[in-house]
Amino acid sequence: AQKITQTQPGMFVQEKEAVTLDCTYDTSDPSYGLFWYKQPSSGEMIFLIYQGSYDQQNATEGRYSLNFQKARKSANLVISASQLGDSAMYFCAMREGNTGGFKTIFGAGTRLFVKA
Amino acid sequence: GAGVSQSPSNKVTEKGKDVELRCDPISGHTALYWYRQSLGQGLEFLIYFQGNSAPDKSGLPSDRFSAERTGGSVSTLTIQRTQQEDSAVYLCASSLEYNQPQHFGDGTRLSIL
Repeated sequence: AQKITQTQPGMFVQEKEAVTLDCTYDTSDPSYGLFWYKQPSSGEMIFLIYQGSYDQQNATEGRYSLNFQKARKSANLVISASQLGDSAMYFCAMREGNTGGFKTIFGAGTRLFVKA
Repeated sequence: GAGVSQSPSNKVTEKGKDVELRCDPISGHTALYWYRQSLGQGLEFLIYFQGNSAPDKSGLPSDRFSAERTGGSVSTLTIQRTQQEDSAVYLCASSLEYNQPQHFGDGTRLSIL
C-alpha cells in the first residue's frame, strides 16, 4: 500500500496566483512528521516545510503553508503568490515513528509549471 | 558550512562491474539516508542509518546492493554485478536527528552500459 500519495502528476498555475499541491498519507503510528521538498530542474533537493503530527497549528514558512488535516490524513502544500522560480518538482514525505522504523518515505511528486 | 558531499558526481560503467558510491554527511548529523531516483520519478528509499543502531535495509532492491557507514560518518553504497536497470541518480541525505529535515547531496548519476 502506498504510504504517501500525490495524485497530481503535473499542475499549472498562473504567476502571482496561489496553488495547492495535494498529499495524502497512510500510517497507524501516532507520532509522525510530514515534509515537503522542492526539486528544481538542476536536481538539488530543497527542504521547504515541516509539520509534526502533534503540532496544533498548520506550519508556515514564508509563501509556503501546509494545510494539515489530520483526520483526513492529508498534508497539502499551499504556495501563495506563485513565482516563475517555483516551477519544479515537489515531493511530499513522511517520517513515521516506531512502527515505521523512523525512516522517511517520499511520494511520487508533482511537477509544477508556473506560467507568466 | 559544508553540505552533504557525494562522489563521484557521475559514473559510467559496464554491466557486470561493481561500483562504490560515497557520501560524506554534514558533520554531527546522526541520520543518513540513501535514495535512488530514476529519470522523472520520485525517490525510492534504499537504506537508513541512525546513530549506532542497526541500519534499516528494507529498501535495498536486491542482495547486490549493500551499504555501510564507518565511524558514524562517511557512508559507502556498493552495487555488485551492476545491471542496466541500476542506472539512476543515487542521492544521499543526512539530518541532525531522524525527525529533522534532510539535507541532500547533489547525487551520483550512475549509467550502466
